[in-house]
Amino acid sequence: AQKVTQAQTEISVVEKEDVTLDCVYETRDTTYYLFWYKQPPSGELVFLIRRNSFDEQNEISGRYSWNFQKSTSSFNFTITASQVVDSAVYFCALSEATGSARQLTFGSGTQLTVLP
Amino acid sequence: GAVVSQHPSRVICKSGTSVKIECRSLDFQATTMFWYRQFPKKSLMLMATSNEGSKATYEQGVEKDKFLINHASLTLSTLTVTSAHPEDSSFYICSARQLAGETRETQYFGPGTRLLVL
Repeated sequence: AQKVTQAQTEISVVEKEDVTLDCVYETRDTTYYLFWYKQPPSGELVFLIRRNSFDEQNEISGRYSWNFQKSTSSFNFTITASQVVDSAVYFCALSEATGSARQLTFGSGTQLTVLP
Repeated sequence: GAVVSQHPSRVICKSGTSVKIECRSLDFQATTMFWYRQFPKKSLMLMATSNEGSKATYEQGVEKDKFLINHASLTLSTLTVTSAHPEDSSFYICSARQLAGETRETQYFGPGTRLLVL
């Protein structure tokens, strides 16, 4: 069975600091997908990134970057020069490729608070 | 693209009544829709997986007679909470997965529905 662990329950930083959110996963499948979602106080989950298990290239999108390391089963998310608007709960999730449903297994989430 | 709407966004009802929540994929066709429940400061809990034209698959511990799911078309799924009780008060979120295309592995989420049962 798959599992996603986000060990950091809450993180608080001051604006303009860099912050890394950790995500460690477990799966028996060789083909799988990893995701990050952002949930601001309004409640909606905003899709940030999808990465498949065959693509270990790191990705950068503006102030966001993701580091995928299969050797350590980690998919960490870094926000550079954090802003108050980045305050939200961030969820890491895993979807296995076997089976048609492609259900997501979520981590417990990390509450990020960026202080002005 | 890939917008999912939910209606209503917020509902208050009396104990014993039924509440229907709609989930629509606005600009794509969704093979599969998912219904989640989220308690305060907790992660999302999958309730059921809904496939168009077939019966929903419920997760263990979720009462299918209490949480009725209908997936009538490739763009609409509904969740009806029957005979609601205060313990059903929660944040319900749906998601939809595209039928085809490069993003078909991604679930896109609706804005959620806050249900309060008095």
